[in-house]
Amino acid sequence: AQSVTQLDSQVPVFEEAPVELRCNYSSSVSVYLFWYVQYPNQGLQLLLKYLSGSTLVESINGFEAEFNKSQTSFHLRKPSVHISDTAEYFCAVSEIGGGTSYGKLTFGQGTILTVHP
Amino acid sequence: IAGITQAPTSQILAAGRRMTLRCTQDMRHNAMYWYRQDLGLGLRLIHYSNTAGTTGKGEVPDGYSVSRANTDDFPLTLASAVPSQTSVYFCASSPTRAGDGYTFGSGTRLTVV
Repeated sequence: AQSVTQLDSQVPVFEEAPVELRCNYSSSVSVYLFWYVQYPNQGLQLLLKYLSGSTLVESINGFEAEFNKSQTSFHLRKPSVHISDTAEYFCAVSEIGGGTSYGKLTFGQGTILTVHP
Repeated sequence: IAGITQAPTSQILAAGRRMTLRCTQDMRHNAMYWYRQDLGLGLRLIHYSNTAGTTGKGEVPDGYSVSRANTDDFPLTLASAVPSQTSVYFCASSPTRAGDGYTFGSGTRLTVV
């Protein structure tokens, strides 16, 4: 069975500062990795995902995440955050291959990013 | 606009009452899911359906039931609501392939009093 641990429940940061949201996963098989963002009073939206190829993936709004297989991590980073990035961020994994869990996402507990002016 | 529609948006429900949360998607996705979101606990899977006519139990299925009569609809029923079922409920769907990820609805905020 797979599991996801987001190491920080809350991350406060000032505007234009860099930020890293940490995510570690555990799985007995290979996985796909995702980051979702949830703005206040909204559903979750896909931010970026790693399927294969380059271990560094980017989103359209300046976030990036790097897959590190040896450390089983998929940390999310942004070099300079904006007030509008204030949201809750969820890391998720999906196992590759067959079985009853095929296609199903397992989510971390979420990290609330608060950007202060 | 293609996506998932959830109804109602919010509801206050007396304990012991029966309630059905509706979820409809127009993307012809095979798989659908119901999650509940609680502060500090993240998203927990209640029930899922890999295809029309099949359903399965997730992490926290007790007190909930689902049906999947067709591809588009996946209602979640609370047979006799209890205060611990106060939560925000999200419906999601995916084409089933592991790399596709999910599309989420906007959620239903349910308060059981």
